[in-house]
Amino acid sequence: GENVEQHPSTLSVQEGDSAVIKCTYSDSASNYFPWYKQELGKGPQLIIDIRSNVGEKKDQRIAVTLNKTAKHFSLHITETQPEDSAVYFCAASRGQASGTYKYIFGTGTRLKVLA
Amino acid sequence: NAGVTQTPKFQVLKTGQSMTLQCAQDMNHNSMYWYRQDPGMGLRLIYYSASEGTTDKGEVPNGYNVSRLNKREFSLRLESAAPSQTSVYFCASFVAYGYTFGSGTRLTVV
Repeated sequence: GENVEQHPSTLSVQEGDSAVIKCTYSDSASNYFPWYKQELGKGPQLIIDIRSNVGEKKDQRIAVTLNKTAKHFSLHITETQPEDSAVYFCAASRGQASGTYKYIFGTGTRLKVLA
Repeated sequence: NAGVTQTPKFQVLKTGQSMTLQCAQDMNHNSMYWYRQDPGMGLRLIYYSASEGTTDKGEVPNGYNVSRLNKREFSLRLESAAPSQTSVYFCASFVAYGYTFGSGTRLTVV
């Protein structure tokens, strides 16, 4: 079945360094790739997304890149800060005829930013 | 405040008991979803509802039922809880690609 692999499962970086999280998807029809941040005790929140017609998207310290040929996409966080510490999930999706979007989520990466 | 509200936040059940997890959204979204989150497995879709009056199975529907009561509310029912259903449950609503998640229900079945 369709799946999304996410690596690494845990990542520790020093404050100010960069962090990279990578995901690989199996469904070649996927056309939308969001990233979610989940803080302790809360639900996931969308932080950035990319569509299949775009190779890269940036929003301040966060960027996402997409390689459709290789079917992988990555989250890049620069100048990390303690408040970036959280669990990050990638997802892949394609639209359904009903107008819904069922996401296949990766297994999550726990990012720790060390002060 | 606009968003997705889930109740209860915590629940402990004995094996075989039943319960309903409640979810309501005030953003006038058509689509609503129930996911479960387990360590090392990410979020997996249980059921979803494309619009009021319709529901469909997701990846892991066994042992669950859902009701889309109206456009705002989408409930998840466990008829006979099992220890394998110990998890954190998230409800979400959707518009224009993006999910808005509730804060979750942590369910323990003993």
